[in-house]
Amino acid sequence: DAGVIQSPRHEVTEMGQEVTLRCKPISGHDYLFWYRQTMMRGLELLIYFNNNVPIDDSGMPEDRFSAKMPNASFSTLKIQPSEPRDSAVYFCASSQGQGYTGELFFGEGSRLTVL
Amino acid sequence: GDSVTQMEGPVTLSEEAFLTINCTYTATGYPSLFWYVQYPGEGLQLLLKATKADDKGSNKGFEATYRKETTSFHLEKGSVQVSDSAVYFCALRGSSGGSNYKLTFGKGTLLTVNP
Repeated sequence: DAGVIQSPRHEVTEMGQEVTLRCKPISGHDYLFWYRQTMMRGLELLIYFNNNVPIDDSGMPEDRFSAKMPNASFSTLKIQPSEPRDSAVYFCASSQGQGYTGELFFGEGSRLTVL
Repeated sequence: GDSVTQMEGPVTLSEEAFLTINCTYTATGYPSLFWYVQYPGEGLQLLLKATKADDKGSNKGFEATYRKETTSFHLEKGSVQVSDSAVYFCALRGSSGGSNYKLTFGKGTLLTVNP
């Protein structure tokens, strides 16, 4: 079975540019999570969806960040305009709600560098 | 709110040494507790879990016991191998209401095992 698939794996951009990160969750999983990982702050939950509906976006840092899930197999995290402090590894994770045990399945991450 | 505190790294050990990584938590009610591992260049993956007090989670020679009286979930392994070199994250899943699907992670502890 394919795991969670994220793209791009690496992105280098200049300040002010728009960045779009993509995620394909595991088929059949109805929860999708976006996390950000930095050395200073560790892993932070940005937003999560259930059945394509955003449930909690309290971790989204500011209006420059937005996330969508137009269908069960695709989600995007967009940063516009990007800033150097957005440099981080962004992880997407998915899980099953039915019989949820707390196990999240993570993608390999998208490493973003904003110059 | 919920929080997880784990010992700062990095931790460097020789092969076959004993490993302890401390983790304490703050949460209301009865959270579930987890250890996740992140190998270089990969996403996080579940290592072990415990869902109630005095439970012991174990996997691949690693163990952790859910201690409610000390609000701790320390990770241990009797004899580490070079292949155990990774970043280890302690995490909790809240037991109440809207936090039930969110995982709160510690900042991670980098373990390096030398031959």
